[in-house]
Amino acid sequence: EAGVTQSPTHLIKTRGQQATLRCSPISGHTSVYWYQQALGLGLQFLLWYDEGEERNRGNFPPRFSGRQFPNYSSELNVNALELEDSALYLCASSLAGGAGTQYFGPGTRLTVL
Amino acid sequence: GQQLNQSPQSMFIQEGEDVSMNCTSSSIFNTWLWYKQDPGEGPVLLIALYKAGELTSNGRLTAQFGITRKDSFLNISASIPSDVGIYFCAGLDNYGQNFVFGPGTRLSVLP
Repeated sequence: EAGVTQSPTHLIKTRGQQATLRCSPISGHTSVYWYQQALGLGLQFLLWYDEGEERNRGNFPPRFSGRQFPNYSSELNVNALELEDSALYLCASSLAGGAGTQYFGPGTRLTVL
Repeated sequence: GQQLNQSPQSMFIQEGEDVSMNCTSSSIFNTWLWYKQDPGEGPVLLIALYKAGELTSNGRLTAQFGITRKDSFLNISASIPSDVGIYFCAGLDNYGQNFVFGPGTRLSVLP
């Protein structure tokens, strides 16, 4: 069974640009979560989608947004990129909305120059 | 909001030694998860705990769900070089809505 997949692996952007990150959950999982992990730090919760709806968001500005598609895959968009947005962005999926064990993808390394 | 603390922040051990780390909170959690993250990769689930007092093993790893539901412990026996990485604990919050992650324990194994 395929795990959570994320694309691209690496992304390099300049300040002010927009970045789009993609995530495909484990087959059968309906919840998708996004986390930001700055270098050497822990996971900061960004967004949670379940059944196509945004269920919760962390303490991040509105320029961080996303969506979940009918096939449960998800996109994270970051507008007006800032240098401090450079981080590993992790996607996780789970069976039950919110309470299910989360399985992580390999992450997308975003570098903002 | 609910927070998790992990200790130690980092540790250096000799290969073959046993390791203990813990995760604590002032709040009650209903589920505890332990993950390991290798550099530049996503966290990998090691052990999941669902009941207070539960003790679960996965190979050389053993984790316990504290009886007060405010803490959890992870032990690694006979450490090997590939145990190197960051170990995160996560707890399911009171509302059953989200997992809260601890800041991690960085483990280094010296040959």
